[in-house]
This record gives sequence, structure tokens and C-alpha cells, in this order.
Amino acid sequence: SYELTQSPSVSVSPGQTASITCSGDKLGNKYASWYQQKPGQSPILVIYQDNKRPSGIPERFSGSNSGNTATLTISGTQAIDEADYYCQAWDITTVVFGGGTKLTVL
Amino acid sequence: QVQLVQSGAEVKPPGASVNVSCKAFGYTFSSYAVHWVRQAPGQRLEWMGWIHVGDGGKKYSENFRGRVTITRDTSANTAYMELNSLTSEDTAVYYCARDSQRQVRSDNSLDPWGQGTLVTVSS
Repeated sequence: SYELTQSPSVSVSPGQTASITCSGDKLGNKYASWYQQKPGQSPILVIYQDNKRPSGIPERFSGSNSGNTATLTISGTQAIDEADYYCQAWDITTVVFGGGTKLTVL
Repeated sequence: QVQLVQSGAEVKPPGASVNVSCKAFGYTFSSYAVHWVRQAPGQRLEWMGWIHVGDGGKKYSENFRGRVTITRDTSANTAYMELNSLTSEDTAVYYCARDSQRQVRSDNSLDPWGQGTLVTVSS
């Protein structure tokens, strides 16, 4: 079965750029989505189709996907961005999630 | 406003079944698929399956070995997830989420999500 791998944690200082990666075999040939989940809340979609932002998601969130790695980038990271982030892709007709990355804004 | 509202928390003994509902508001229910995803305490998101409300097409995760059944009632704008033969490892928050496009495709996302339903398996 298809697997997506994420680093368990990333730390960033306020105002700096955070990069969260997601790795999978030939992931660049698939579409990646990213979800933000804060404690006690449901996930929300922040990036879809590799690099598109849903309405209401700040411009500081961006995405890319090439080769075996998809990347979520948060520019000018704010304290409110502290959360768990999950990547997601499709394996034919099934959905796969990465293990999640905890973003800490120090 | 598109919204998914789930049923309330459940406590079940080991070996029992649980049925969680997900009522849709603000869009044409029959035009989209609904996914079910669960999250054990402190753990990752785990996809369980989807149903296309319009044609009833389904796909389940192999991880549940036939224990999960997803259905829908179009007259009630509601999707259901039943999980059988519960063990303590099934203690989790269960989410429903709408597929992002009218056809199930590999460029789709899950948006929006319901508020989650806590299922506790305990004797």
C-alpha cells in the first residue's frame, strides 16, 4: 500500500518561514493536499491540488510538489499557525494521509 | 454554508457495533462523496472509506477487513458509518468529510469536515 512520510515535528520562530515536507514514491505524479488541525478541532483544508489555497486561507500558506516530495510552506509564520499538519494524496481510489507534523512556533 | 453535523459521543463495550451519522447542510447532498476518517487519541488521521451519495459507489480501506459499512439516506441528507466487532483500539474520534468535487477523482480533497464523534470502547 502507498505510504506518505512526514517529519514528526518542525520548529520555527515567529515571522520566519516554516517548511513541512511529505515524502512518497513518485508523489510528484499525484496531487497533494494539506490539512491544519489544532488541538480539539477538526482538520481544515489549507492547500489542495499541490499549490492552491481555498477561500479564506491566508496567502502565507503555499505548496509545491515534485519528485518524491510535497512541501507546505508558511511564510511569516504566526503563533496562530501552531498546529498539526497532515498531507494527503490518493492511491488510485483510496485516500492516504501522512503521519502528521507538529509545527511549534517558538 | 456547507456544513456537516455528526451525532453525539458513544460508549460501547468490546464486541459491540457503533453507528455514527453525518447530516449535510448547504449543498446538494447527492452530488458529492462523503468520506469517513478516524483519529485515535494522539495519533494520525486514518482514512476508512467513502461513499458517493448519488450512485452509491463505495471504497473501503483494507485496514478494516470488512468491519466497516458506509451507507447513506438521501431523503435525510445523512451518511452513516457502522463499525463492528469493536475493541479498545477503535477508541477514537470519527470524522465525516465531504469530497471537494462532484466526481471522485485523484485530485480531490476533503472539505469541509464534521465536528467529530468520540467513540469510546470500554467494558
